[in-house]
Amino acid sequence: DGGITQSPKYLFRKEGQNVTLSCEQNLNHDAMYWYRQDPGQGLRLIYYSQIVNDFQKGDIAEGYSVSREKKESFPLTVTSAQKNPTAFYLCASTLRGADTNYGYTFGSGTRLTVV
Amino acid sequence: AQKITQTQPGMFVQEKEAVTLDCTYDTSDPSYGLFWYKQPSSGEMIFLIYQGSYDQQNATEGRYSLNFQKARKSANLVISASQLGDSAMYFCAMRLHGSSNTGKLIFGQGTTLQVKP
Repeated sequence: DGGITQSPKYLFRKEGQNVTLSCEQNLNHDAMYWYRQDPGQGLRLIYYSQIVNDFQKGDIAEGYSVSREKKESFPLTVTSAQKNPTAFYLCASTLRGADTNYGYTFGSGTRLTVV
Repeated sequence: AQKITQTQPGMFVQEKEAVTLDCTYDTSDPSYGLFWYKQPSSGEMIFLIYQGSYDQQNATEGRYSLNFQKARKSANLVISASQLGDSAMYFCAMRLHGSSNTGKLIFGQGTTLQVKP
């Protein structure tokens, strides 16, 4: 079955470390998105990519980096410059340029904790 | 600027009763889609219902219906006959079309619903 796989489910980061969150989809979707969710809060867009080798900053890109070398993969790196990285991270995908009724597929998320 | 506002941080409802979760939106784009998602404590996002800006009728999906008032820019979710399994966080979200169609989904702050037995 098609879907999005995020790994790992739980991740612990030491101060000053970079960590990479994986997001892989087999839905042949062009567009992929990374969202951050703090406890009891909504989802905020970090980065998004509509085609391979291209990506744009979202609303809270500082301290994060991404790459899009393959259509299926959109990894997110949380760098040491991100001062408060403890949060729940969700990856999503959809068809680029689709009508507004085309839905999104979400991964199951990664919970990142700074220790 | 495009924005979604959910003004109810938390709601309680008695089992088997109906509940309305509020959502207002702001956009100048004439073509947009509105989504409601359910997020249980596990964190997964579950799609519930969709309403397009040009849809003439309110959307319905089983126990879920959407009270769409375009002039007021509101898209409230109505859950009928609440069940204990409905306890979760609910998000309203908007996707734009046309020249603004980057496919970004803009989320509200969410409403936590607790169903009492």
